[in-house]
Amino acid sequence: GQQVMQIPQYQHVQEGEDFTTYCNSSTTLSNIQWYKQRPGGHPVFLIQLVKSGEVKKQKRLTFQFGEAKKNSSLHITATQTTDVGTYFCAGPTGNQFYFGTGTSLTVIP
Amino acid sequence: NAGVTQTPKFRILKIGQSMTLQCTQDMNHNYMYWYRQDPGMGLKLIYYSVGAGITDKGEVPNGYNVSRSTTEDFPLRLELAAPSQTSVYFCASSYNGPWLAGETDTQYFGPGTRLTVL
Repeated sequence: GQQVMQIPQYQHVQEGEDFTTYCNSSTTLSNIQWYKQRPGGHPVFLIQLVKSGEVKKQKRLTFQFGEAKKNSSLHITATQTTDVGTYFCAGPTGNQFYFGTGTSLTVIP
Repeated sequence: NAGVTQTPKFRILKIGQSMTLQCTQDMNHNYMYWYRQDPGMGLKLIYYSVGAGITDKGEVPNGYNVSRSTTEDFPLRLELAAPSQTSVYFCASSYNGPWLAGETDTQYFGPGTRLTVL
């Protein structure tokens, strides 16, 4: 069946270090969305990428969508304690919508 | 706007009991969704609706039922609760669906219902 995997599953970084999470889908996605979920909270939309090879930036966050539209990445430069949470990629295939397995980020002050 | 509201926040059920999780949105969104999130895992789509009177199965629909009689409400019914249904349930809504070509609307999530089946 369809799978959307993310690596790593967990990441601990010192504040100020960079962080990257990678998202890989077993099938082509028509678009990719990224969400952030704080501990005990609900997912909050961050961004959507639609085009093959697209790159978008939001302040310290950089999002990429792969050329084959099967993978994506989120890079955070100079992490802050406010970046703590779990980051999920998500996207549609057919008439379904799949979330990735998530990467939990811990930032050590 | 309250956005997406869910009730109850917490619930403990005994095996075999039934219950309805309520979800309401006040953003006049066409699409509504139910997800479940098991501990340490991603979200899985249970059911979704593209408008009043229209529902469709997601990835994990077994053991659940839904209805959409109004634009605002999208209740999720659990019949014969089982321990495997212990999870956090999130309702979400969006103006259009994620399956459109090009830019699509973001999904707005409710605060979730934490359900334990013992």
